[in-house]
Amino acid sequence: ELKVEQNPLFLSMQEGKNYTIYCNYSTTSDRLYWYRQDPGKSLESLFVLLSNGAVKQEGRLMASLDTKARLSTLHITAAVHDLSATYFCFLNDYKLSFGAGTTVTVRA
Amino acid sequence: DTGVSQDPRHKITKRGQNVTFRCDPISEHNRLYWYRQTLGQGPEFLTYFQNEAQLEKSRLLSDRFSAERPKGSFSTLEIQRTEQGDSAMYLCAASGGQYQETQYFGPGTRLLVL
Repeated sequence: ELKVEQNPLFLSMQEGKNYTIYCNYSTTSDRLYWYRQDPGKSLESLFVLLSNGAVKQEGRLMASLDTKARLSTLHITAAVHDLSATYFCFLNDYKLSFGAGTTVTVRA
Repeated sequence: DTGVSQDPRHKITKRGQNVTFRCDPISEHNRLYWYRQTLGQGPEFLTYFQNEAQLEKSRLLSDRFSAERPKGSFSTLEIQRTEQGDSAMYLCAASGGQYQETQYFGPGTRLLVL
């Protein structure tokens, strides 16, 4: 059974500080996606990581993939309020599986 | 805007009634997916189509659920004899024809069964 585990599930961030969200998975997939969801809204694609060692950056967000460790990270640099949302990692493998999500709240 | 639209955006129904949701992807989206999301959870896969062919169904898709994609364009998801446990957000996603391409999500249909 494919498992996708995110941690932490809840993250309270202080503005200006750096944080990391972790996504561990149990398959040998070399492709992983990150999505963002605002409350009551649908999912917005953030990153597609296509191979081992892939790193993508957009603004204050940077995602990386280590397929050997079956681990992806989403790093947030100098958190700002606009980043408050729920972040999901997703594997589009033989099973289509989302993590449980990490709900991020950024406080002043 | 992902180009994926869903209708209706909200639906309130009484237990035992049937409901139908519609998803319209853009024409380039050969693959179409349905997910269900309950509060505080990640989306759960229900089923997906490549063109008009329904290629996979989750065991979550009980016999009260049926999905169609006639002509490989829009898709419908019908729930018969709704139950309170069916209350959720139903999300449609679509992607191009290549395997494992990024899925683009529609705004969702929020269902409340009373």
